[in-house]
Amino acid sequence: SQQGEEDPQALSIQEGENATMNCSYKTSINNLQWYRQNSGRGLVHLILIRSNEREKHSGRLRVTLDTSKKSSSLLITASRAADTASYFCATLPGSNDYKLSFGAGTTVTVRA
Amino acid sequence: SQTIHQWPATLVQPVGSPLSLECTVEGTSNPNLYWYRQAAGRGLQLLFYSVGIGQISSEVPQNLSASRPQDRQFILSSKKLLLSDSGFYLCASTGGKGYNEQFFGPGTRLTVL
Repeated sequence: SQQGEEDPQALSIQEGENATMNCSYKTSINNLQWYRQNSGRGLVHLILIRSNEREKHSGRLRVTLDTSKKSSSLLITASRAADTASYFCATLPGSNDYKLSFGAGTTVTVRA
Repeated sequence: SQTIHQWPATLVQPVGSPLSLECTVEGTSNPNLYWYRQAAGRGLQLLFYSVGIGQISSEVPQNLSASRPQDRQFILSSKKLLLSDSGFYLCASTGGKGYNEQFFGPGTRLTVL
């Protein structure tokens, strides 16, 4: 079953603008991961944030995690046309779990 | 990092025909392996996962089965395809326990007619 829910479902921005998308989940987690999927391709891992972390950065990506609100956000700064893709959050309940629960994704379109 | 190979890339099959999709992994040993299905514009549904050779866990009742004959080989099969089996099938791998990132293959687009 899908635990994560992304918001918004779709986002259209101008190149150079920032893109923010959110993920909410229902049960406690060990970690939360964000993935990118270009159309018709496999998913690519972007960033993993553990339950005891509040913020992580990777290049133009910034992820926050609020375990009290059971939510996470992904910020892409200074967007580029190449950032056009679907973005998924995925949660892992516990450190001994093997299964990620993926949300339905946010489709981001960056206009040149 | 790991490299996941999947084939074929696309497949069109008639209803009632058999299916075999193959996934192989490079760059790690004893990975956890996963088969997902993705409907158009949707998230990923976990179908099967495996923590070792011959060990398969099924997540949803369905027309499909999975096997792991070798450490880095994962196969998705069906004896008789249904229209509802159409979709985008993704194989994924983690090194070690599930709390690590997953590496995905390029996927197989299956259309059942």
